[in-house]
Amino acid sequence: EVQLVESGGGLVQPGGSLRLSCAASGFSFSDYSMNWVRQAPGKGLEWISYISGTSSTIYYVDSVKGRFTISRDNAKNSLYLQMNSLRAEDTAVYYCARGYSSTSWFDPWGQGTLVTVSS
Amino acid sequence: DIQMTQSPSTLSASVGDRVTITCRASQTISSWLAWYQQKPGKAPKLLIYKASSLESGVPSRFSGSGSGTEFTLTISSLQPDDFATYYCQQYNSYSRGTFGQGTKVEIK
Repeated sequence: EVQLVESGGGLVQPGGSLRLSCAASGFSFSDYSMNWVRQAPGKGLEWISYISGTSSTIYYVDSVKGRFTISRDNAKNSLYLQMNSLRAEDTAVYYCARGYSSTSWFDPWGQGTLVTVSS
Repeated sequence: DIQMTQSPSTLSASVGDRVTITCRASQTISSWLAWYQQKPGKAPKLLIYKASSLESGVPSRFSGSGSGTEFTLTISSLQPDDFATYYCQQYNSYSRGTFGQGTKVEIK
């Protein structure tokens, strides 16, 4: 079964850092691009970052550029999101989602992990 | 950046109704569009990709159409399990406007 499981969310103060992880199973991880998508409470979906299968291509939405870093470890079948200089507006459920190519639909998605930025 | 605009934002319908949701792109995206269903507290679920291709396991009452800048998701006969929020996603390019703002389908 293809599965993605996020972890690492929690409560963090403004200006703080957090590292999210996404463990993949059931497919050849290195063959697929991966994405992070977030959803603020009661709001819609926001794509925030993409990484190709070989990590050679990375994209970010403007609002997280310079603060967030996406990475992956294909040997560990894992995707990461290092989040620094966190702001209240970064509060959201963060999902990892598999892509199929450089631009693609997302399937499947993980169950999400909640990040709350508050003092 | 490409912007995606869904309409309506909220839709009230009854079981058995035919429901149509529209998604418009600010510039042409060919057929690079997907549709997702999301229920409260759950991750989005892929329904349609490439504008009209039905994902495996998704009921045939769901269908997608369109190309260029205008797309529709149709539920031919609304079922109780279909009350949820639906999002379109353009994958012509990655940008802040990748997803539409969502359409909540409520019970009338």
